[in-house]
Amino acid sequence: QQQVKQSPQSLIVQKGGISIINCAYENTAFDYFPWYQQFPGKGPALLIAIRPDVSEKKEGRFTISFNKSAKQFSLHIMDSQPGDSATYFCAASRVSSGGSNYKLTFGKGTLLTVNP
Amino acid sequence: DGGITQSPKYLFRKEGQNVTLSCEQNLNHDAMYWYRQDPGQGLRLIYYSQIVNDFQKGDIAEGYSVSREKKESFPLTVTSAQKNPTAFYLCASRLRTRGNEQFFGPGTRLTVL
Repeated sequence: QQQVKQSPQSLIVQKGGISIINCAYENTAFDYFPWYQQFPGKGPALLIAIRPDVSEKKEGRFTISFNKSAKQFSLHIMDSQPGDSATYFCAASRVSSGGSNYKLTFGKGTLLTVNP
Repeated sequence: DGGITQSPKYLFRKEGQNVTLSCEQNLNHDAMYWYRQDPGQGLRLIYYSQIVNDFQKGDIAEGYSVSREKKESFPLTVTSAQKNPTAFYLCASRLRTRGNEQFFGPGTRLTVL
């Protein structure tokens, strides 16, 4: 059972454009939603993360939008650059009241290509 | 420099052989994780450990084993029971006081011939 569904699988954007990647989750107990960026042959690196008490978080050109009622969150990359070309993963985890294992459930990834 | 190291970067083994992947961290992180990555499949959790001498199965533990004898080290053994071991393996760690944030190593690409 896939608990985090990510779309699209691949995305091509022109330099300067806006890249939008969407994720939907099923478990309403999830309360931490990070996005990871991965370049070929490298490990993923945390890009930005959000908790459900806010609807939007912005860090530079990267913004997470969060819709708790719809159980969806998205990554927006403004002014996309060729250097942003990578695979992006959304993820979600749950922290129980007694402390948790902080397991991350990942989406299947989106391959972003930004053309010059 | 603090970080997570995985070795080797590339590993080739013959079918039927066990192989151990190394993961070391000098971040003083409490928890460590092993993920498997296949094309188009995202990252799937194999095993995780919150403290030394304790570990739990993740979503795809069959055919794998781990140990956590030291805080800094969390080796993964891919046994001959793993039916499709060729994949990219990622190790991650987390500091308990930093909440959910996991830091990943550079990965090991295992190819079973």
